[in-house]
Amino acid sequence: GAGVSQSPSNKVTEKGKDVELRCDPISGHTALYWYRQSLGQGLEFLIYFQGNSAPDKSGLPSDRFSAERTGGSVSTLTIQRTQQEDSAVYLCASSLDGTGVGETQYFGPGTRLLVL
Amino acid sequence: SQKIEQNSEALNIQEGKTATLTCNYTNYSPAYLQWYRQDPGRGPVFLLLIRENEKEKRKERLKVTFDTTLKQSLFHITASQPADSATYLCAPLSNTGKLIFGQGTTLQVKP
Repeated sequence: GAGVSQSPSNKVTEKGKDVELRCDPISGHTALYWYRQSLGQGLEFLIYFQGNSAPDKSGLPSDRFSAERTGGSVSTLTIQRTQQEDSAVYLCASSLDGTGVGETQYFGPGTRLLVL
Repeated sequence: SQKIEQNSEALNIQEGKTATLTCNYTNYSPAYLQWYRQDPGRGPVFLLLIRENEKEKRKERLKVTFDTTLKQSLFHITASQPADSATYLCAPLSNTGKLIFGQGTTLQVKP
Protein backbone atom coordinates (compact mmCIF):
# COMPACT_ATOMS: atom_id res chain seq x y z
CA GLY A 1 0.00 0.00 0.00
CA ALA A 2 1.01 3.59 -0.48
CA GLY A 3 0.07 4.92 2.95
CA VAL A 4 1.71 4.96 6.36
CA SER A 5 1.43 1.63 8.12
CA GLN A 6 1.82 0.81 11.78
CA SER A 7 2.11 -2.42 13.69
CA PRO A 8 0.76 -3.92 15.76
CA SER A 9 -2.68 -2.38 15.44
CA ASN A 10 -3.45 -3.35 19.02
CA LYS A 11 -1.17 -4.26 21.90
CA VAL A 12 -2.12 -5.38 25.38
CA THR A 13 0.72 -5.66 27.86
CA GLU A 14 1.30 -5.95 31.56
CA LYS A 15 2.64 -3.13 33.64
CA GLY A 16 6.42 -3.21 33.74
CA LYS A 17 6.91 -4.90 30.36
CA ASP A 18 8.64 -3.28 27.41
CA VAL A 19 6.82 -2.70 24.11
CA GLU A 20 7.96 -1.83 20.61
CA LEU A 21 5.75 -0.03 18.14
CA ARG A 22 6.64 0.08 14.47
CA CYS A 23 5.97 2.65 11.78
CA ASP A 24 6.52 2.30 8.03
CA PRO A 25 6.27 5.76 6.44
CA ILE A 26 5.35 6.56 2.88
CA SER A 27 8.27 5.71 0.61
CA GLY A 28 10.43 8.75 -0.04
CA HIS A 29 9.15 10.76 2.92
CA THR A 30 12.09 12.12 4.86
CA ALA A 31 10.25 13.43 7.91
CA LEU A 32 8.57 11.15 10.44
CA TYR A 33 6.60 12.03 13.56
CA TRP A 34 5.28 10.14 16.56
CA TYR A 35 2.25 11.35 18.49
CA ARG A 36 0.24 10.01 21.39
CA GLN A 37 -3.53 10.41 21.63
CA SER A 38 -5.33 9.61 24.86
CA LEU A 39 -9.09 9.11 24.94
CA GLY A 40 -10.84 12.37 24.12
CA GLN A 41 -7.58 14.27 23.95
CA GLY A 42 -5.68 15.96 21.19
CA LEU A 43 -2.51 14.69 19.61
CA GLU A 44 0.50 15.00 21.89
CA PHE A 45 3.77 15.39 19.97
CA LEU A 46 6.46 12.93 21.01
CA ILE A 47 9.38 13.03 18.58
CA TYR A 48 10.30 14.11 15.06
CA PHE A 49 12.84 12.50 12.71
CA GLN A 50 14.54 14.13 9.77
CA GLY A 51 16.09 11.21 7.96
CA ASN A 52 17.63 9.05 10.67
CA SER A 53 18.31 11.84 13.12
CA ALA A 54 15.90 13.22 15.70
CA PRO A 55 16.33 16.99 15.97
CA ASP A 56 13.31 17.29 18.23
CA LYS A 57 12.76 14.83 21.08
CA SER A 58 11.11 17.41 23.27
CA GLY A 59 7.81 15.57 23.55
CA LEU A 60 9.08 12.28 24.95
CA PRO A 61 7.38 12.14 28.37
CA SER A 62 10.15 10.30 30.22
CA ASP A 63 13.39 8.41 29.71
CA ARG A 64 11.33 5.23 29.43
CA PHE A 65 10.43 6.37 25.93
CA SER A 66 12.88 6.14 23.05
CA ALA A 67 12.68 5.97 19.29
CA GLU A 68 14.95 5.25 16.40
CA ARG A 69 14.76 5.32 12.65
CA THR A 70 16.93 3.29 10.32
CA GLY A 71 17.65 3.64 6.64
CA GLY A 72 15.60 6.80 6.53
CA SER A 73 12.53 4.63 6.58
CA VAL A 74 11.14 2.39 9.34
CA SER A 75 10.89 3.80 12.83
CA THR A 76 10.44 2.03 16.15
CA LEU A 77 9.06 3.63 19.30
CA THR A 78 10.06 1.72 22.44
CA ILE A 79 8.43 2.12 25.82
CA GLN A 80 10.30 0.46 28.67
CA ARG A 81 8.73 -0.61 31.95
CA THR A 82 5.27 0.37 30.76
CA GLN A 83 2.88 2.08 33.15
CA GLN A 84 -0.90 2.23 33.02
CA GLU A 85 -0.77 5.91 32.09
CA ASP A 86 1.05 4.90 28.89
CA SER A 87 -2.23 3.45 27.60
CA ALA A 88 -3.18 5.46 24.52
CA VAL A 89 -3.20 5.40 20.74
CA TYR A 90 0.25 5.96 19.30
CA LEU A 91 0.11 7.60 15.88
CA CYS A 92 2.89 7.89 13.35
CA ALA A 93 2.92 10.39 10.50
CA SER A 94 5.29 11.16 7.66
CA SER A 95 5.79 14.13 5.39
CA LEU A 96 7.62 14.57 2.13
CA ASP A 97 10.06 17.42 2.21
CA GLY A 98 13.43 17.67 3.87
CA THR A 99 12.35 20.63 5.91
CA GLY A 100 9.55 18.80 7.65
CA VAL A 101 8.44 22.12 8.98
CA GLY A 102 4.69 22.16 9.34
CA GLU A 103 4.09 20.31 6.09
CA THR A 104 1.02 18.22 5.41
CA GLN A 105 1.39 15.08 7.47
CA TYR A 106 0.10 11.67 6.42
CA PHE A 107 -0.96 9.55 9.35
CA GLY A 108 -1.01 5.84 9.93
CA PRO A 109 -3.96 4.09 11.60
CA GLY A 110 -2.25 4.03 14.98
CA THR A 111 -1.34 1.39 17.54
CA ARG A 112 -3.77 1.06 20.44
CA LEU A 113 -1.75 0.26 23.54
CA LEU A 114 -3.39 -0.99 26.70
CA VAL A 115 -1.27 -1.49 29.80
CA LEU A 116 -2.95 -3.64 32.43
CA SER B 1 2.78 28.64 26.52
CA GLN B 2 1.21 28.16 23.11
CA LYS B 3 -2.34 26.97 23.50
CA ILE B 4 -5.01 25.70 21.10
CA GLU B 5 -8.68 25.59 22.00
CA GLN B 6 -11.42 23.82 20.13
CA ASN B 7 -14.95 23.37 21.39
CA SER B 8 -14.88 20.11 23.30
CA GLU B 9 -18.63 19.71 23.10
CA ALA B 10 -19.94 17.79 20.12
CA LEU B 11 -21.70 19.77 17.43
CA ASN B 12 -25.00 18.24 16.28
CA ILE B 13 -26.63 19.61 13.16
CA GLN B 14 -29.24 18.60 10.64
CA GLU B 15 -28.27 17.37 7.19
CA GLY B 16 -28.11 20.20 4.68
CA LYS B 17 -27.19 22.86 7.22
CA THR B 18 -23.82 24.58 7.51
CA ALA B 19 -21.52 23.37 10.27
CA THR B 20 -19.12 25.90 11.80
CA LEU B 21 -16.24 24.79 14.00
CA THR B 22 -14.00 27.15 15.93
CA CYS B 23 -10.28 27.03 16.67
CA ASN B 24 -8.73 29.64 18.96
CA TYR B 25 -5.04 29.96 19.71
CA THR B 26 -3.15 32.06 22.24
CA ASN B 27 0.35 33.27 22.95
CA TYR B 28 1.72 33.09 19.44
CA SER B 29 1.11 33.95 15.80
CA PRO B 30 1.25 30.91 13.52
CA ALA B 31 2.40 31.39 9.96
CA TYR B 32 -0.26 28.93 8.89
CA LEU B 33 -2.85 26.58 10.17
CA GLN B 34 -4.05 23.18 8.99
CA TRP B 35 -7.33 21.35 9.47
CA TYR B 36 -7.57 17.58 9.68
CA ARG B 37 -10.44 15.11 9.83
CA GLN B 38 -10.30 12.06 12.09
CA ASP B 39 -12.72 9.16 11.95
CA PRO B 40 -13.05 6.71 14.88
CA GLY B 41 -10.18 4.23 14.93
CA ARG B 42 -8.29 6.00 12.16
CA GLY B 43 -5.46 8.49 11.90
CA PRO B 44 -6.16 12.13 11.00
CA VAL B 45 -6.46 13.07 7.32
CA PHE B 46 -5.36 16.46 5.99
CA LEU B 47 -8.12 18.70 4.64
CA LEU B 48 -6.96 22.28 4.19
CA LEU B 49 -4.09 24.65 4.89
CA ILE B 50 -4.48 28.42 5.25
CA ARG B 51 -1.63 30.90 5.52
CA GLU B 52 -1.56 33.99 7.72
CA ASN B 53 -1.85 36.30 4.72
CA GLU B 54 -4.97 34.50 3.48
CA LYS B 55 -8.35 35.47 4.88
CA GLU B 56 -10.24 32.55 3.43
CA LYS B 57 -9.63 29.24 1.68
CA ARG B 58 -12.17 27.00 -0.04
CA LYS B 59 -12.24 23.41 -1.19
CA GLU B 60 -15.51 22.03 -2.49
CA ARG B 61 -17.99 22.30 0.42
CA LEU B 62 -15.27 23.30 2.89
CA LYS B 63 -14.28 26.84 3.81
CA VAL B 64 -11.66 27.95 6.29
CA THR B 65 -11.08 31.48 7.56
CA PHE B 66 -8.07 32.79 9.46
CA ASP B 67 -8.37 35.93 11.58
CA THR B 68 -4.94 36.82 12.94
CA THR B 69 -6.37 39.70 14.96
CA LEU B 70 -8.88 37.52 16.77
CA LYS B 71 -6.39 34.63 16.79
CA GLN B 72 -9.09 32.37 15.45
CA SER B 73 -9.82 30.04 12.56
CA LEU B 74 -13.31 28.99 11.55
CA PHE B 75 -14.00 25.81 9.61
CA HIS B 76 -17.27 25.62 7.68
CA ILE B 77 -18.92 22.68 5.96
CA THR B 78 -21.82 23.75 3.77
CA ALA B 79 -24.69 21.46 2.75
CA SER B 80 -23.54 19.02 5.41
CA GLN B 81 -24.08 15.30 4.98
CA PRO B 82 -24.11 12.41 7.47
CA ALA B 83 -20.81 11.29 5.91
CA ASP B 84 -19.25 14.51 7.24
CA SER B 85 -19.69 13.18 10.78
CA ALA B 86 -16.20 12.95 12.30
CA THR B 87 -13.81 14.77 14.61
CA TYR B 88 -12.11 17.82 13.13
CA LEU B 89 -8.71 18.91 14.39
CA CYS B 90 -7.06 22.25 13.88
CA ALA B 91 -3.28 22.42 13.86
CA PRO B 92 -1.52 25.78 13.83
CA LEU B 93 2.20 25.86 13.17
CA SER B 94 4.08 26.49 16.40
CA ASN B 95 7.03 28.83 16.92
CA THR B 96 9.29 25.79 16.92
CA GLY B 97 8.17 24.75 13.47
CA LYS B 98 5.96 21.84 14.32
CA LEU B 99 2.21 21.51 14.25
CA ILE B 100 0.31 21.76 17.52
CA PHE B 101 -2.95 19.85 17.34
CA GLY B 102 -6.10 20.88 19.12
CA GLN B 103 -8.20 18.27 20.90
CA GLY B 104 -10.75 18.35 18.11
CA THR B 105 -14.47 18.96 17.83
CA THR B 106 -16.79 16.08 17.02
CA LEU B 107 -19.42 16.83 14.40
CA GLN B 108 -22.56 14.74 14.11
CA VAL B 109 -24.76 15.35 11.08
CA LYS B 110 -28.21 13.85 11.42
CA PRO B 111 -30.25 12.80 8.39
